[in-house]
Amino acid sequence: NAGVMQNPRHLVRRRGQEARLRCSPMKGHSHVYWYRQLPEEGLKFMVYLQKENIIDESGMPKERFSAEFPKEGPSILRIQQVVRGDSAAYFCASSPRHTVETQYFGPGTRLLVL
Amino acid sequence: GQQLNQSPQSMFIQEGEDVSMNCTSSSIFNTWLWYKQDPGEGPVLLIALYKAGELTSNGRLTAQFGITRKDSFLNISASIPSDVGIYFCAGLPFMNRDDKIIFGKGTRLHILP
Repeated sequence: NAGVMQNPRHLVRRRGQEARLRCSPMKGHSHVYWYRQLPEEGLKFMVYLQKENIIDESGMPKERFSAEFPKEGPSILRIQQVVRGDSAAYFCASSPRHTVETQYFGPGTRLLVL
Repeated sequence: GQQLNQSPQSMFIQEGEDVSMNCTSSSIFNTWLWYKQDPGEGPVLLIALYKAGELTSNGRLTAQFGITRKDSFLNISASIPSDVGIYFCAGLPFMNRDDKIIFGKGTRLHILP
């Protein structure tokens, strides 16, 4: 059983461009969580999705950020018109149910905005 | 928002030494979690704690849920080179109805050659 997969692992964007981060959950996992980690910081919750539905997006900035988890395919975290402050590592975690100890994290996407 | 204070920020130790780190909060937590993050990777859950006073081991790692429910401790015995990494405490605050994990800022463990 492959683990949580994220791509790309590294992404460089110029200010104003769009960033699309993909997360393929583990097989059988229908719950996906996105977290952001700034340098020297812990992870901060952004959004929780369950197949085709956004359950909790309270940690996600209201503007420029969006997330989806379609019926088929990976979950996507989309950042429009990136700014330097968006530079961070973005991790997704997947889980077979909505419990904290069953969240398995992917290797992350490191976004650098020039 | 709620914060977890993790200490120390960094540790430099010799191989074979025991390691202790802790995590404190100003508010009560009802679940404590300890993760390890290797460079370039995502966090991996080491130990989960659910009750005040609970002491749980995972190999050379032992973690405790503080009896005040406002702190937790992680000990690593007889450290080895592969223990190098960042250790994060995390938890679920009491009365947290939306089950959002709060993370500390991490303890960076370095092993001197």
